[in-house]
Amino acid sequence: LAKTTQPISMDSYEGQEVNITCSHNNIATNDYITWYQQFPSQGPRFIIQGYKTKVTNEVASLFIPADRKSSTLSLPRVSLSDTAVYYCPEGAGNMLTFGGGTRLMVKP
Amino acid sequence: DGGITQSPKYLFRKEGQNVTLSCEQNLNHDAMYWYRQDPGQGLRLIYYSQIVNDFQKGDIAEGYSVSREKKESFPLTVTSAQKNPTAFYLCASSIFRSSGANVLTFGAGSRLTVL
Repeated sequence: LAKTTQPISMDSYEGQEVNITCSHNNIATNDYITWYQQFPSQGPRFIIQGYKTKVTNEVASLFIPADRKSSTLSLPRVSLSDTAVYYCPEGAGNMLTFGGGTRLMVKP
Repeated sequence: DGGITQSPKYLFRKEGQNVTLSCEQNLNHDAMYWYRQDPGQGLRLIYYSQIVNDFQKGDIAEGYSVSREKKESFPLTVTSAQKNPTAFYLCASSIFRSSGANVLTFGAGSRLTVL
């Protein structure tokens, strides 16, 4: 089962918008796309989910193109507290496979 | 408050000893999971269970064992057969879905160190 692909790390500054893209080359028709955030020494926390087009909640937006081969997590106006690792796990039924995630560093 | 409780938070073990990590949830979730995380790495699935008295191996099940006698509980035993057990262990749960997104709720983790 091939995992999703995302950048290993990204840097940003406070107040900027950050976009993290994930490739879902083996996504199945019934799979939803989910994103999680993890702080050091804590369990990951669910951020957002989507199937296609755009989804927005109080934390982030998720953009999914029509072919669903990728997704982009958008964090508006990041702050220092958004420094974390972000995951877009590959779904297979009720089993999620997490890759290495994207380590986001927000600088002052 | 509903959630997942993992214990202990920190555990030290001598080589050759078995240890059991506890995971309890009061979310009434059907499915439960155990992941292992090594420093700077992603999560790797050890075992998962979709219903009581049933569980399946994940990607790295060797050296680990689980049980699911109650819906709320999914303990993980790290046996002496696990050659490199020092890691951060994460338990999660979710509603069993035949369709739709599988959203996992994670515990705070247990950090195991082998001396």
